[in-house]
Amino acid sequence: GAGVSQSPRYKVAKRGQDVALRCDPISGHVSLFWYQQALGQGPEFLTYFQNEAQLDKSGLPSDRFFAERPEGSVSTLKIQRTQQEDSAVYLCASSTGTGGSYEQYFGPGTRLTVT
Amino acid sequence: KNQVEQSPQSLIILEGKNCTLQCNYTVSPFSNLRWYKQDTGRGPVSLTIMTFSENTKSNGRYTATLDADTKQSSLHITASQLSDSASYICVVSAANAGKSTFGDGTTLTVKP
Repeated sequence: GAGVSQSPRYKVAKRGQDVALRCDPISGHVSLFWYQQALGQGPEFLTYFQNEAQLDKSGLPSDRFFAERPEGSVSTLKIQRTQQEDSAVYLCASSTGTGGSYEQYFGPGTRLTVT
Repeated sequence: KNQVEQSPQSLIILEGKNCTLQCNYTVSPFSNLRWYKQDTGRGPVSLTIMTFSENTKSNGRYTATLDADTKQSSLHITASQLSDSASYICVVSAANAGKSTFGDGTTLTVKP
């Protein structure tokens, strides 16, 4: 069985460009999470979905960040007008349910570098 | 504010030695605590999960302990191997919350 996949694995963007990061969760997983991980730090929560519904987006750092999961499967995290402080690894995770008792399965991440 | 603090920030040990990593948290109301292992360039992978009523959980050479009264957890690694070199992240979940609080991790380096 395939795990969580993310693409691209690496992305270099010039400041001001828009980027789109894709996450393919494990088939059948209802919950999907996005995290931002700066170098040497733990993942910081951005947002999560239960099926197609975005239940919590409190971690999105600004209105330049937007996430969607229109059919309750694949999710896209979009960052508009990228800034240097957006450089980080963006992790996606999926789980069979919502809540901390459900194990989250992580993808390998997308490393975004804004120059 | 829910917080998870880990120590030490980094640790270097020789292959075959044991080590213990610490995690203190202020997450409330407490639901469970997980330890994750994150290899360089990979996503975190769960090692153990403990709920309020559990005070120890083992997974091979990894043993996690939990003291819910003092809000502390530890991860003990026995007979370390080179492949144990990674970041170990403590994650605490609150009851009735969809999201969890992650620590910054302890970076472990095992040298031959």
